[in-house]
Amino acid sequence: GAVVSQHPSWVICKSGTSVKIECRSLDFQATTMFWYRQFPKQSLMLMATSNEGSKATYEQGVEKDKFLINHASLTLSTLTVTSAHPEDSSFYICSARVQGPSDTQYFGPGTRLTVL
Amino acid sequence: GNSVTQMEGPVTLSEEAFLTINCTYTATGYPSLFWYVQYPGEGLQLLLKATKADDKGSNKGFEATYRKETTSFHLEKGSVQVSDSAVYFCALSARTGANSKLTFGKGITLSVRP
Repeated sequence: GAVVSQHPSWVICKSGTSVKIECRSLDFQATTMFWYRQFPKQSLMLMATSNEGSKATYEQGVEKDKFLINHASLTLSTLTVTSAHPEDSSFYICSARVQGPSDTQYFGPGTRLTVL
Repeated sequence: GNSVTQMEGPVTLSEEAFLTINCTYTATGYPSLFWYVQYPGEGLQLLLKATKADDKGSNKGFEATYRKETTSFHLEKGSVQVSDSAVYFCALSARTGANSKLTFGKGITLSVRP
């Protein structure tokens, strides 16, 4: 149980285009999902917290107009990187939280974005 | 604020060696503690967790005990395998509200030689 999928697993796009990444909880409902960014050989940086039916909460320094997050249902959150630039190239990982005593987060496999 | 400190890496061991990866934390209240593992090119997988003091999390031969007195959650395995080569992240969830966030350590790379 507690499987989280991401699509696509990798994407290459041209500078200036927008890219949408989907995060789905496959066998449970997640009122809260998280989006992280991971640079090579580094830890995960939390970008934003996505709550179903409401606006996402962004971490300090993350541009909300550039990284659009939509959490339209209890099993789907999307991250859209708008007007992508080479510096946006990174590994983007989502997680979904299972509410309970430990508030465990289950992670998707990640999406490798390369902006040319 | 909350923080997680992991020992410096990378760590290289021979197969069947004993593994210890240190993790200490700073947090208000009573956090839950986690170890996540990331295999090359993949996302994070939950390895084990503990939700209260003196709890021991275990999975796939790995163990970690929640030590409140030393604010530690060290990861151990008695005999590592080549397939254990990965990056290991210690994390805490402080349950400060409805959107309790995970705070990660920097991660440590483990390489196991045949």
